[in-house]
Amino acid sequence: KQEVTQIPAALSVPEGENLVLNCSFTDSAIYNLQWFRQDPGKGLTSLLLIQSSQREQTSGRLNASLDKSSGRSTLYIAASQPGDSATYLCAVRGGNTGFQKLVFGTGTRLLVSP
Amino acid sequence: NAGVTQTPKFQVLKTGQSMTLQCAQDMNHEYMSWYRQDPGMGLRLIHYSVGAGITDQGEVPNGYNVSRSTTEDFPLRLLSAAPSQTSVYFCASISGMFNGTQYFGPGTRLLVL
Repeated sequence: KQEVTQIPAALSVPEGENLVLNCSFTDSAIYNLQWFRQDPGKGLTSLLLIQSSQREQTSGRLNASLDKSSGRSTLYIAASQPGDSATYLCAVRGGNTGFQKLVFGTGTRLLVSP
Repeated sequence: NAGVTQTPKFQVLKTGQSMTLQCAQDMNHEYMSWYRQDPGMGLRLIHYSVGAGITDQGEVPNGYNVSRSTTEDFPLRLLSAAPSQTSVYFCASISGMFNGTQYFGPGTRLLVL
């Protein structure tokens, strides 16, 4: 059964810091991995999608990497801002659970202080 | 595009009542799904559909029914609400079956008393 773990569960940093969020998964036979942002009481917003054949994706201050063989992904946030405060979720599609569903981690709750 | 929309935003039910959570998308996506989000358990798949007229069970389907008569709409029905169904429900659609971006609606908060 695919399991997704995110470390740390919570992170508090001052504004301007560069930070890394970690995601690991147990079954490396995935189609893709997606990072989401969730603000309190809101839905999920897709940040980056990495296909299994890719090593990284970038969008603005965000960079996500994927090492499928080791079952790891990282989300790098450069020059963090208070507006980055949210919960970040990673999710994988594929592996022994098939393509039908995304398997989610429980998220990293990020607080960026001014 | 409005993307994925859900109604209602919030609902309170009594045990045993039934209701339908509405979901619609205007992106012409074939694949749609329903998740529930509970503290400490992440998001779990309830039901999904790969196209109009085709639905299947996900990880936690008991107590829920779905149908897909059109590409746009994918309602989730609670047959007889139970307190264990108190949760936040998200509808999602995907742009491509195997390698597309997943889009989520804003969610429906359900409280069952």
